[in-house]
Amino acid sequence: AQSVTQPDIHITVSEGASLELRCNYSYGATPYLFWYVQSPGQGLQLLLKYFSGDTLVQGIKGFEAEFKRSQSSFNLRKPSVHWSDAAEYFCAVGAYSSNTGKLIFGQGTTLQVKP
Amino acid sequence: DAGVIQSPRHEVTEMGQEVTLRCKPISGHNSLFWYRQTMMRGLELLIYFNNNVPIDDSGMPEDRFSAKMPNASFSTLKIQPSEPRDSAVYFCASRNSQGDPEAFFGQGTRLTVV
Repeated sequence: AQSVTQPDIHITVSEGASLELRCNYSYGATPYLFWYVQSPGQGLQLLLKYFSGDTLVQGIKGFEAEFKRSQSSFNLRKPSVHWSDAAEYFCAVGAYSSNTGKLIFGQGTTLQVKP
Repeated sequence: DAGVIQSPRHEVTEMGQEVTLRCKPISGHNSLFWYRQTMMRGLELLIYFNNNVPIDDSGMPEDRFSAKMPNASFSTLKIQPSEPRDSAVYFCASRNSQGDPEAFFGQGTRLTVV
């Protein structure tokens, strides 16, 4: 069965520090992978996506993620966190075939940024 | 494009009442998803449609929940009768199954059943 695991429910980092949010997935085929961010009271905004090709993908707001097939991981990174990055982050896998399918989300990681 | 539009943004209703949530997907998108978000269960996929046809409704919690997509530009999620445990944020998302596979989300409907 397809699934996404985000091991860290809550992470606190200091402003200016580096960040890595973990994501592991289970899917039988080559996955489509996504990271979304949700600010309080808002919908989900796409940060970045991986379909194929270069395993290091760049996204908006200075975020990047690396697809590692051998580890079934797609971790999100940012070299220097800003206070405005405080939000909830969701990793998702697109379980697609024949141009249809569903988007499955992890439980989310809440990021708190200390001044 | 205005993005995925959901209405209402907030809904407060009494237990036992019928609630209807509405969604207008992005024009040209042919897949539509309904999600429910709660603190306890996170983001759960309730149902999704492809070309207006329900493909997978295994996430619908029980018969009190129903969803329709009468045409490509409109979908509803109905709860009848509503219960306090249905209180959550309900998101609608759409994507173009022929194009990039990311889904675009609406702002959500915060439902409170008292």
